Amino acid sequence: DIQLTQSPSFLSASVGDRVTITCRASQGVSSYLAWYQQKPGKAPKLLIYTASSLQSGVPSRFSGSGSGTEFTLTISSLQPEDFATYYCQQLNSYPQITFGGGTKVEIK
Amino acid sequence: EVQLVESGGGVVQPGGSLRLSCAASTFIFDDYTMHWVRQAPGKGLEWVSAITWDGGSTYYADSVKGRFTISRDNSKNSLYLQIKSLRTEDTALYYCTREDTGGSDAFDIWGQGTMVTVSS
Repeated sequence: DIQLTQSPSFLSASVGDRVTITCRASQGVSSYLAWYQQKPGKAPKLLIYTASSLQSGVPSRFSGSGSGTEFTLTISSLQPEDFATYYCQQLNSYPQITFGGGTKVEIK
Repeated sequence: EVQLVESGGGVVQPGGSLRLSCAASTFIFDDYTMHWVRQAPGKGLEWVSAITWDGGSTYYADSVKGRFTISRDNSKNSLYLQIKSLRTEDTALYYCTREDTGGSDAFDIWGQGTMVTVSS
């Protein structure tokens, strides 16, 4: 199975900060990587697919990049509603899909 | 509004069984591959199972293979997960989710989840 390692697992940031989360794959996943946001008590929400494509309705402050084994999710200017947990997901080894362990973004 | 609504969760003893259901609305259900994803309390997301649009192919995580069975009834716009031989480590919130088949291929629609608790 392909393992996804997210870093950091926790980060504390302020409104307006630029935030970057990294996801590393144990083997290449091409661009078959997605990012999700999950708020407490809610289902995950798709933000980014195929590494860098923005899902419809998602604010443009969210962006993704990378290919192969290293990927990043960037929030250009953190907003109050962005405090949440973020997960990466690989679909390269479909249907054996895996998720990263999550990165919790909290208010400093 | 495109919606998925799960039901069927509950408290069950180890070794017991449950059948989870997911009702889809406001989209053409049989156009899409569907998945189950679970989340143990305070933990991350774990993919569980998938089924193609026609039910012709099914897939399972190694952790549930042989104990869980995914199925669908396109005439009822419904997805199911039969879970047997339950273990305490199966305790989780189970989400039904839609794969954007032929589009992004990511999981673009999620239900609110149904909780399964395995406890004696």
